[in-house]
Amino acid sequence: AQSVAQPEDQVNVAEGNPLTVKCTYSVSGNPYLFWYVQYPNRGLQFLLKYITGDNLVKGSYGFEAEFNKSQTSFHLKKPSALVSDSALYFCAGPLSGGYNKLIFGAGTRLAVHP
Amino acid sequence: EAQVTQNPRYLITVTGKKLTVTCSQNMNHEYMSWYRQDPGLGLRQIYYSMNVEVTDKGDVPEGYKVSRKEKRNFPLILESPSPNQTSLYFCASSLRGGRVSSYEQYFGPGTRLTVT
Repeated sequence: AQSVAQPEDQVNVAEGNPLTVKCTYSVSGNPYLFWYVQYPNRGLQFLLKYITGDNLVKGSYGFEAEFNKSQTSFHLKKPSALVSDSALYFCAGPLSGGYNKLIFGAGTRLAVHP
Repeated sequence: EAQVTQNPRYLITVTGKKLTVTCSQNMNHEYMSWYRQDPGLGLRQIYYSMNVEVTDKGDVPEGYKVSRKEKRNFPLILESPSPNQTSLYFCASSLRGGRVSSYEQYFGPGTRLTVT
């Protein structure tokens, strides 16, 4: 079955430290992968995407993600966390055979402490 | 300002009373979609629309209806709501359906629905 998994419900990190939010995938064909962020009481916002090419993808707000085909992972990273990065993060990927259906992970809550 | 709007933002209703949640986008997007968000389950797609008069089921369509009579609007209809439809609902849109670009979706602020 195709899936996108986020193994951690919550990630805690101190401000200024690097952060990683994990995502693994199981989709057939070429994996197109995405990260979205949800701030409190807001809708989801697109952060970045991997389509093809460089395995390190840069996105909004200083975030980047590393695509690793051998480990079937697409982890979200940031070198220095900010308190304002505290939010709910979703990894997503399409079901094969249809560009229109996105599978979302369950979400990971990132808490950055001062 | 480019945006997706939803109304109402909060709704408490009773079982069986028909309701409609409206969604409108001002970006001339062809593709629109409805999701529900439940704790521990992420977002699940309810219905989507590739363009006017073209709609299709997502992963959890049971108990919902949609229509797309105009490009900018994509209302979600619950004919007979039940408590298991208590959830946070999001409308989203993107420029084109059927292409990788369709995954860059713009989301509305959400509608929190409680069915008692």
